[in-house]
Amino acid sequence: SQTIHQWPATLVQPVGSPLSLECTVEGTSNPNLYWYRQAAGRGLQLLFYSVGIGQISSEVPQNLSASRPQDRQFILSSKKLLLSDSGFYLCAWSRPMYQETQYFGPGTRLLVL
Amino acid sequence: GESVGLHLPTLSVQEGDNSIINCAYSNSASDYFIWYKQESGKGPQFIIDIRSNMDKRQGQRVTVLLNKTVKHLSLQIAATQPGDSAVYFCADQFYFGTGTSLTVIP
Repeated sequence: SQTIHQWPATLVQPVGSPLSLECTVEGTSNPNLYWYRQAAGRGLQLLFYSVGIGQISSEVPQNLSASRPQDRQFILSSKKLLLSDSGFYLCAWSRPMYQETQYFGPGTRLLVL
Repeated sequence: GESVGLHLPTLSVQEGDNSIINCAYSNSASDYFIWYKQESGKGPQFIIDIRSNMDKRQGQRVTVLLNKTVKHLSLQIAATQPGDSAVYFCADQFYFGTGTSLTVIP
């Protein structure tokens, strides 16, 4: 069976500090991978998606970047965090086909102070 | 960008009653929709999906209806239980609505 891991679960960072959130998937090959952000009481906003190693598509201009160094590893980064980067970050995977549901990780709650 | 939205931010139902959660979308080309359930502090969990060549799909205690004419879909939960309390999102593939918070009253 497939599993998806995210860490850390929670993170408190000062403004201007760097960020690295990691997501890994087990039990599947060549998944599509996604990063979402969820503000408090809001829906999910798609930030990045990837269909393969080194292939990253950005949905919205922002202070964040993503990388996919390995098939089942997806990293969300920032060089300098802003207060507005606070939120709940969710990683998801789907099978590499059109119209496939996504399976979400447990999320990372980030608070930038 | 965002092309789906939910009609009501909150919904309260009595345990045992049926729940109906509504969602509207704007993109006529949308052809795949998913309903997710999100419990507090957790990631969304897949409930049921529907493709545009269908107008109804049933799962265990859940039914999704799709009306392409008015660009509307709904999630019906039969015999709602306390464990159904959560936020429910409809999604147009990757784009999520704002969610409806369902509270089940014992």
